[in-house]
Amino acid sequence: AQKITQTQPGMFVQEKEAVTLDCTYDTSDPSYGLFWYKQPSSGEMIFLIYQGSYDQQNATEGRYSLNFQKARKSANLVISASQLGDSAMYFCAMRGVKAAGNKLTFGGGTRVLVKP
Amino acid sequence: DTAVSQTPKYLVTQMGNDKSIKCEQNLGHDTMYWYKQDSKKFLKIMFSYNNKELIINETVPNRFSPKSPDKAHLNLHINSLELGDSAVYFCASSQGGSHTEAFFGQGTRLTVV
Repeated sequence: AQKITQTQPGMFVQEKEAVTLDCTYDTSDPSYGLFWYKQPSSGEMIFLIYQGSYDQQNATEGRYSLNFQKARKSANLVISASQLGDSAMYFCAMRGVKAAGNKLTFGGGTRVLVKP
Repeated sequence: DTAVSQTPKYLVTQMGNDKSIKCEQNLGHDTMYWYKQDSKKFLKIMFSYNNKELIINETVPNRFSPKSPDKAHLNLHINSLELGDSAVYFCASSQGGSHTEAFFGQGTRLTVV
């Protein structure tokens, strides 16, 4: 079974500052992928960043970076230099190599509000 | 050119009606999904299809019937709509393996009145 936990239901961040969104996971799969998605108020799901369980380095994509700590089973998203357009819901998700139906399992999400 | 497109974007209907949501992907992916997002924003898998074959059905009522005429299309038909079916429904697709992201459609906001 796969489980994703996001413990922060909501948070404020000042514009231009960095923010860390927490994500912990649980799986018995030997190989898995971790993903972060952004859902702005317009509703679409936007893929942000991916981390493979065997990747040696933390993933980065522009202002997004993933702080992957395998032993702690955590995959926190760091958004640097926050912008007003970063205000959105953020979802952590995972897919194990043995996931039934190749499904992505999502956490409950964290709502981020960037203050000017 | 939209990768995953689903229609309609909004659907308002009365209890007891039957409705369909259509989904198409032009990414050549083998796997397609339906997810339901409830009012608390929680995303839950409903169905997963691989090459037109149903792989998982996550305890979804029989009133929900997915149909995949080919691997690029996955439609969702809902019979006898209930108030509790009100939600946002997302279609998504991905390539095989654990290390590829899923691409999502724009979502269909279903409101049952």
